[in-house]
Amino acid sequence: GAGVSQSPRYKVAKRGQDVALRCDPISGHVSLFWYQQALGQGPEFLTYFQNEAQLDKSGLPSDRFFAERPEGSVSTLKIQRTQQEDSAVYLCASSWSSGGGLETQYFGPGTRLLVL
Amino acid sequence: KQEVTQIPAALSVPEGENLVLNCSFTDSAIYNLQWFRQDPGKGLTSLLLIQSSQREQTSGRLNASLDKSSGRSTLYIAASQPGDSATYLCAVRANDYKLSFGAGTTVTVRA
Repeated sequence: GAGVSQSPRYKVAKRGQDVALRCDPISGHVSLFWYQQALGQGPEFLTYFQNEAQLDKSGLPSDRFFAERPEGSVSTLKIQRTQQEDSAVYLCASSWSSGGGLETQYFGPGTRLLVL
Repeated sequence: KQEVTQIPAALSVPEGENLVLNCSFTDSAIYNLQWFRQDPGKGLTSLLLIQSSQREQTSGRLNASLDKSSGRSTLYIAASQPGDSATYLCAVRANDYKLSFGAGTTVTVRA
């Protein structure tokens, strides 16, 4: 596709439910990133993939958060036993190379998660 | 940990005025700095990327400066238009891939 796409765009979950958020990066992009953006704040780094390898998951807030990219393209961010503090916009970004400092990251529209 | 601060948090100006948005960061060891625009319900759109070796970048009505030693960047938007209304985010890259963002400046341009 022309850009990064994410689904669903909106998700309402009851506290304790599991959710799965999908990201389709730009075709051919090697690097994929997940960010969490709380209301009124800037995005915070969650995790980074280079192809199918998860090279950095230091930003995942707890072991309830899990991300995968099994074939090096589509990625899924899973949140188990959701809590109200998980309510945020989850942004996915991709870039064409292996994370060098010269190129920009292209962001998707985000998934807005509301946990009741 | 890199801390990025944006001032002011919100700005409202009449159409035609120039906009000045400020960004400061605590660790000057950066690869580059980017300015993004975020519209409600949409993702981030990259506006300008300044490499650490550069002092400024320009694109149309937008100009961004970088003073790495003092940990500051400024985004200037000339002759503002209502379509410039959005949240502007500053992000610094301190290693190969992580972006550290400020909280943003929300701009309203009144017609």
